[in-house]
Amino acid sequence: DTGVSQDPRHKITKRGQNVTFRCDPISEHNRLYWYRQTLGQGPEFLTYFQNEAQLEKSRLLSDRFSAERPKGSFSTLEIQRTEQGDSAMYLCASSRDNQPQHFGDGTRLSIL
Amino acid sequence: AQTVTQSQPEMSVQEAETVTLSCTYDTSESDYYLFWYKQPPSRQMILVIRQEAYKQQNATENRFSVNFQKAAKSFSLKISDSQLGDAAMYFCAYRRIQGGSEKLVFGKGTKLTVNP
Repeated sequence: DTGVSQDPRHKITKRGQNVTFRCDPISEHNRLYWYRQTLGQGPEFLTYFQNEAQLEKSRLLSDRFSAERPKGSFSTLEIQRTEQGDSAMYLCASSRDNQPQHFGDGTRLSIL
Repeated sequence: AQTVTQSQPEMSVQEAETVTLSCTYDTSESDYYLFWYKQPPSRQMILVIRQEAYKQQNATENRFSVNFQKAAKSFSLKISDSQLGDAAMYFCAYRRIQGGSEKLVFGKGTKLTVNP
């Protein structure tokens, strides 16, 4: 069990650029979640995958955001045409069936 | 809609003392899970303890225990014999399951400082 891995740890980009984050869940975890956390707040749900199927997408996820989980393994979260308000920590979590979610270290996004 | 409220933005405790962090939630469901997660500075979120709503017995994990009051929708975390390593943000979370999907709904967190 190597834990949930996220890459990169930090991303600094200019407004208007596209960014992509990767999450590798714990092996054999069939459920994967993305959350966003801003300073002084608790994480907010973005989207949920069960295996390769994206079963829920938050209204926080505008059409500039897209997430995939091909083959039910790793997942990517892409943000197109980044805006200042996208600056946040993006957290990935995974779980197996009804077990608790395990979180990664997160990707901190800073928009210049 | 499910909401989670943590009314204490910050708390402090002396090393070796006991501290209680408060959490209330709102739900119309009868069976659900509640969690406390710990997030040290610049480190990942770690599960501290969980409680299943249908279990009347309060969950305990070593120095960590909860006071679960289902009727009052209250779920407080008690940390006994506080240690310096307990200093972190603590988040209360509710597990929402609906329509084949699930997610955690978090409170805003409580920052715990442990004084030596």
